[in-house]
Amino acid sequence: NAGVTQTPKFQVLKTGQSMTLQCAQDMNHEYMSWYRQDPGMGLRLIHYSVGAGITDQGEVPNGYNVSRSTTEDFPLRLLSAAPSQTSVYFCASREGTARGKLFFGSGTQLSVL
Amino acid sequence: AQTVTQSQPEMSVQEAETVTLSCTYDTSESDYYLFWYKQPPSRQMILVIRQEAYKQQNATENRFSVNFQKAAKSFSLKISDSQLGDAAMYFCAYRTTDSWGKLQFGAGTQVVVTP
Repeated sequence: NAGVTQTPKFQVLKTGQSMTLQCAQDMNHEYMSWYRQDPGMGLRLIHYSVGAGITDQGEVPNGYNVSRSTTEDFPLRLLSAAPSQTSVYFCASREGTARGKLFFGSGTQLSVL
Repeated sequence: AQTVTQSQPEMSVQEAETVTLSCTYDTSESDYYLFWYKQPPSRQMILVIRQEAYKQQNATENRFSVNFQKAAKSFSLKISDSQLGDAAMYFCAYRTTDSWGKLQFGAGTQVVVTP
């Protein structure tokens, strides 16, 4: 049972570099989402998707892009990393039902220097 | 817009004692879900307990129980018989009941358990 798999677990970037955080789930979940976690602010929603080809912005979308070409994968792209994007990033997925439980990946610690 | 407020940045409890974490929220919905998540140092997000707003009975899971006060928009978590393994960050979260409802989190409360 893989669940939600995030890679990498740790990453250090220089300001202006680009990178993609990978997220994959093997539970055939329609709903997938990305959160960032910062001290004193809890987890905040960046982007989410309710199915292949459908994405929407969350609370803090600026500086991030997403796409959903398959049900399984939901990558998060940082086009030009900034120090303000230093954070822990979580991918999560669930069934598209009212009672669907949210499953989280193990997180990615990203530092932007 | 909904907001979730956890006013206690840190709570300390001795082993075998009880600690209560506070959470308040703001919503105009009549039906919704509330959650408590635990995040140990491993960073893993673990669902502790879930409450459905239309159920008046407070949810319980072993040593964890909630006090859900709908009119006051309050959702506190009680950890009884605290154990060292309970040391973690605890997040309160809210979600609407529609199929695509987004989970909204509070800032978190760090629980420290002392021997």
